[in-house]
Amino acid sequence: DQQVKQNSPSLSVQEGRISILNCDYTNSMFDYFLWYKKYPAEGPTFLISISSIKDKNEDGRFTVFLNKSAKHLSLHIVPSQPGDSAVYFCAASADTDKLIFGTGTRLQVFP
Amino acid sequence: DTAVSQTPKYLVTQMGNDKSIKCEQNLGHDTMYWYKQDSKKFLKIMFSYNNKELIINETVPNRFSPKSPDKAHLNLHINSLELGDSAVYFCASGTRSLLSYNEQFFGPGTRLTVL
Repeated sequence: DQQVKQNSPSLSVQEGRISILNCDYTNSMFDYFLWYKKYPAEGPTFLISISSIKDKNEDGRFTVFLNKSAKHLSLHIVPSQPGDSAVYFCAASADTDKLIFGTGTRLQVFP
Repeated sequence: DTAVSQTPKYLVTQMGNDKSIKCEQNLGHDTMYWYKQDSKKFLKIMFSYNNKELIINETVPNRFSPKSPDKAHLNLHINSLELGDSAVYFCASGTRSLLSYNEQFFGPGTRLTVL
């Protein structure tokens, strides 16, 4: 049973525009959420996180929004840059260090 | 400097063989993990060790045996390799605390192919 879902396997966005990556979860015990970015042949790199006591966290061009009632979070990247092209994984944790990952969304930013 | 390193990066072997993957972190973290990413791109935790003690064991076959000689190293030994073991294996490290959340840092991965 997949507790963390990223229903869009891919997303294509023009440079300078906003990229919005979505993630849904089913386990109401999750209280910490993370986004990782992965380039080919490399390991995932931590990008940004949010605790369930917040509904928004911002770090430069990256903002994560959390809607607990809808069990939904999203990552906004604005403005998108070609170097942002990668696979983005959403992950969730229920008060432990065990991370449950989604299947990833491949973002392509074109000029 | 590489924070979390794994060797080898690629491993091709025959079914039935025994192989090991090594992982080292220089971040001073007290917890290390092994994840498996299968052909469907699911990234799933297998094990975690905190200060050389096994904390998480996610119903992985006992052909897989992690070994942590010290806090900076977590090796993965696999006996009697099967075709289904083909995957990318990622090592990660982090700091485990009841007071703060844990952002894990990943190694570059080891692509294991069993023929």
